[in-house]
Amino acid sequence: AQTVTQSQPEMSVQEAETVTLSCTYDTSESDYYLFWYKQPPSRQMILVIRQEAYKQQNATENRFSVNFQKAAKSFSLKISDSQLGDAAMYFCAYTGTASKLTFGTGTRLQVTL
Amino acid sequence: DTAVSQTPKYLVTQMGNDKSIKCEQNLGHDTMYWYKQDSKKFLKIMFSYNNKELIINETVPNRFSPKSPDKAHLNLHINSLELGDSAVYFCASSQGWVGIGELFFGEGSRLTVL
Repeated sequence: AQTVTQSQPEMSVQEAETVTLSCTYDTSESDYYLFWYKQPPSRQMILVIRQEAYKQQNATENRFSVNFQKAAKSFSLKISDSQLGDAAMYFCAYTGTASKLTFGTGTRLQVTL
Repeated sequence: DTAVSQTPKYLVTQMGNDKSIKCEQNLGHDTMYWYKQDSKKFLKIMFSYNNKELIINETVPNRFSPKSPDKAHLNLHINSLELGDSAVYFCASSQGWVGIGELFFGEGSRLTVL
């Protein structure tokens, strides 16, 4: 079974600084996708970024980028120029051949002035 | 227009009662899901339907019964509610395989069992 591990329950970053959230996963599949979701206090799950495993190039969405290390099964999220609105729970997620997302336990990100 | 809408947003009920949560999506997607988020924020899939057919059932107690009357609707009925059922239940939808089609979530329904 696939597992997703987020080893940082909480992280803190100052406004305008950069922070990296860690995620590792375990799978025997060769084709899969990885995601980062954001859950603000409003509870809504919002897709931040996605990465196809067959692509070597790291995905980027504005201030959000990933460092995808396939051999190490590592998928970290970098948030640049952090803003107050980035404060939220961040979930790493995996999907392989089964059409379902397996989530990590989440990292709570605080953004301070 | 809300893409994936769930009702009600909040439920407070007593142990032993039966309750339902409704979900509708207006995205034209063919696959719908129920996820449960527990008090520690852990999210886990419960069920998935593709074109009204159950394709994923993740060892959920049979007190939970999903129903999909058409591909735009997926309801969740829970019998004999227990304290451990207290959680936020998220409905979601995608077009086809969730790796290809983005997964869209509803706002969640917070169930509190007293």
